[in-house]
Amino acid sequence: LAKTTQPISMDSYEGQEVNITCSHNNIATNDYITWYQQFPSQGPRFIIQGYKTKVTNEVASLFIPADRKSSTLSLPRVSLSDTAVYYCLVGDYGGATNKLIFGTGTLLAVQP
Amino acid sequence: NAGVTQTPKFQVLKTGQSMTLQCAQDMNHEYMSWYRQDPGMGLRLIHYSVGAGITDQGEVPNGYNVSRSTTEDFPLRLLSAAPSQTSVYFCASSRLTEPLYGYTFGSGTRLTVV
Repeated sequence: LAKTTQPISMDSYEGQEVNITCSHNNIATNDYITWYQQFPSQGPRFIIQGYKTKVTNEVASLFIPADRKSSTLSLPRVSLSDTAVYYCLVGDYGGATNKLIFGTGTLLAVQP
Repeated sequence: NAGVTQTPKFQVLKTGQSMTLQCAQDMNHEYMSWYRQDPGMGLRLIHYSVGAGITDQGEVPNGYNVSRSTTEDFPLRLLSAAPSQTSVYFCASSRLTEPLYGYTFGSGTRLTVV
């Protein structure tokens, strides 16, 4: 899996839009970009995945520029319950490459 | 479906004691793995398995043993617990060719070694 770089932490206030950027300069042609969310005392859970341009679901949007060397997770109008660690992963199949490696992630703290 | 079940949820050990953290999944997933997460840090891969009878080391395997006798179960053994192994342990599973979004994690085991 390609190495990723994210900010260690971010602060926001309720109702704001939050954008978390991930750098992945060595992304391969077949790689997808996947984001996981982890709440305190819980295991990570999948939130969004994309290959290029923009992907949107009920939770977040993912923006990927043409060169795919970075990506931005966008959380619209965050609430206190969005306080969590967000992990960016890049690859095609974790199991096939035998190691799903998480980085340190980005701790998002949402304040009232 | 129960998904990935980890037991126990909490455990306190004395230095030098041994114990086994249990992980079971009912999704017929070939791939299973163990992670540890220390306070304020990300998840680090301990061991993983791509099927019954096959295991391999991850990033931080020292002090831990695993075995995979069935598809459903992937226990993690601490032979002689040390305070440095105080952590939260997560088990995850997926189909072997699952894309990165397909991983299911357990709720974790919080281990304290005193």
